[in-house]
Amino acid sequence: DVKVTQSSRYLVKRTGEKVFLECVQDMDHENMFWYRQDPGLGLRLIYFSYDVKMKEKGDIPEGYSVSREKKERFSLILESASTNQTSMYLCASSQGQDGRYQPQHFGDGTRLSIL
Amino acid sequence: SQKIEQNSEALNIQEGKTATLTCNYTNYSPAYLQWYRQDPGRGPVFLLLIRENEKEKRKERLKVTFDTTLKQSLFHITASQPADSATYLCALAGYSSASKIIFGSGTRLSIRP
Repeated sequence: DVKVTQSSRYLVKRTGEKVFLECVQDMDHENMFWYRQDPGLGLRLIYFSYDVKMKEKGDIPEGYSVSREKKERFSLILESASTNQTSMYLCASSQGQDGRYQPQHFGDGTRLSIL
Repeated sequence: SQKIEQNSEALNIQEGKTATLTCNYTNYSPAYLQWYRQDPGRGPVFLLLIRENEKEKRKERLKVTFDTTLKQSLFHITASQPADSATYLCALAGYSSASKIIFGSGTRLSIRP
């Protein structure tokens, strides 16, 4: 079974801090994704990556950056955390060159609170 | 702008009945549609994928239909059980290989004994 592991289940940070969320997948998947999930808004794509050292902006990239130095690891960075970034963050991976029709495998999420 | 609507935030069904969840979309022509299940405190889990040229897909007690004329997908769970209680998400992807997957906000399904 594919396993996507997110480094923390719960995280509390202060406004202005630089925050790192880590995600590791163990199935050699090409594609990795970061989403945030808020009540009533569904999953919104922040950034995705189709290959090592490659990144693409999703729908809401402002205030975030990402890093993919190794195929199995995809990091989300909040450059200067703000209270409106309090949310559930979900990482996902999928295989293949075309991620549209491949199932996405999700981690269990990091619930991030910015005080 | 592209929009996905799932029929209601919550649906309550008696055990043994068929649960039907709806996913409607506007300003979009998806090539693929996926359904996921999400339990509280967990990430979504993939259930089924259907292509735009497929009318129907089945997997055990699950059935998905895809009507590109109505711009709608229906997700059915037959002989529903309390263990089917969860939030169900639909997700769409377009024709371009660069297309992203867009998720709906989900429907919370409760099956009462």
